[in-house]
Amino acid sequence: GIQVEQSPPDLILQEGANSTLRCNFSDSVNNLQWFHQNPWGQLINLFYIPSGTKQNGRLSATTVATERYSLLYISSSQTTDSGVYFCAAYYNTDKLIFGTGTRLQVFP
Amino acid sequence: EPEVTQTPSHQVTQMGQEVILRCVPISNHLYFYWYRQILGQKVEFLVSFYNNEISEKSEIFDDQFSVERPDGSNFTLKIRSTKLEDSAMYFCASSVQPGETQYFGPGTRLLVL
Repeated sequence: GIQVEQSPPDLILQEGANSTLRCNFSDSVNNLQWFHQNPWGQLINLFYIPSGTKQNGRLSATTVATERYSLLYISSSQTTDSGVYFCAAYYNTDKLIFGTGTRLQVFP
Repeated sequence: EPEVTQTPSHQVTQMGQEVILRCVPISNHLYFYWYRQILGQKVEFLVSFYNNEISEKSEIFDDQFSVERPDGSNFTLKIRSTKLEDSAMYFCASSVQPGETQYFGPGTRLLVL
C-alpha cells in the first residue's frame, strides 16, 4: 500500500535551535499538507504544499514531488513549537494518508 | 477565520452504547471527512462524504459506523454499538474540493469503558 514515512521519529531541541523534519512518500502525490498537533491534541494546518517552497514566519516547507519528499524547517525554535508534526498526502483520492509523525520537544 | 467545530469535546460511554459525534464544517465547503487517532498512533481516514453520499470509506468504517448530514450545517458520525477499541480521538474535516486543503476540527475524545 501507499506509505508516508517521517523522520526523525523524535527530536529534542533547546530553544533557539533550528531543525529539519522529513516526509517521504512512496508514490507520486497530488498534494501534501503539514500539521502540528499541539499538546491538547488539536491538528493545526501549517502548509498545503504540493510542490515548491512556502514560508510562514519561522516555518517553511519544501516539497520535491519528483523525488517524493517534503521537508519542514523550523528556525529559532520556541517551547510552543513542541508537539507532534504530521505530513499527510493525497493520492488520486479525496482522503489524506498521514505519516507516522515526528515528536518535537523544545526545552528552554 | 472560519473553522470546523466539533461537539462534544470529550465523551465517556459504556461498551455497547450508541454515540453520535457532531461536526459543523466550514460553511462554503462541500466535502466532509471523519478521521480517528488512537492514542499515540497516527491519524487514520474513516470516511469521506459529498452530496449526501459516502464517496470513500476505509476498512475501519464497518457496519457499526454511519454518517449523516441531517441539515444544512451539521455532519454526524454515529457508532451503533461501541467497543473498547473505538476509544480514540475523532476528527472531522472539510474542504472546498477534494485534493485541496482539509481543515480539521478540534476533535472529540471518545473513551469506551
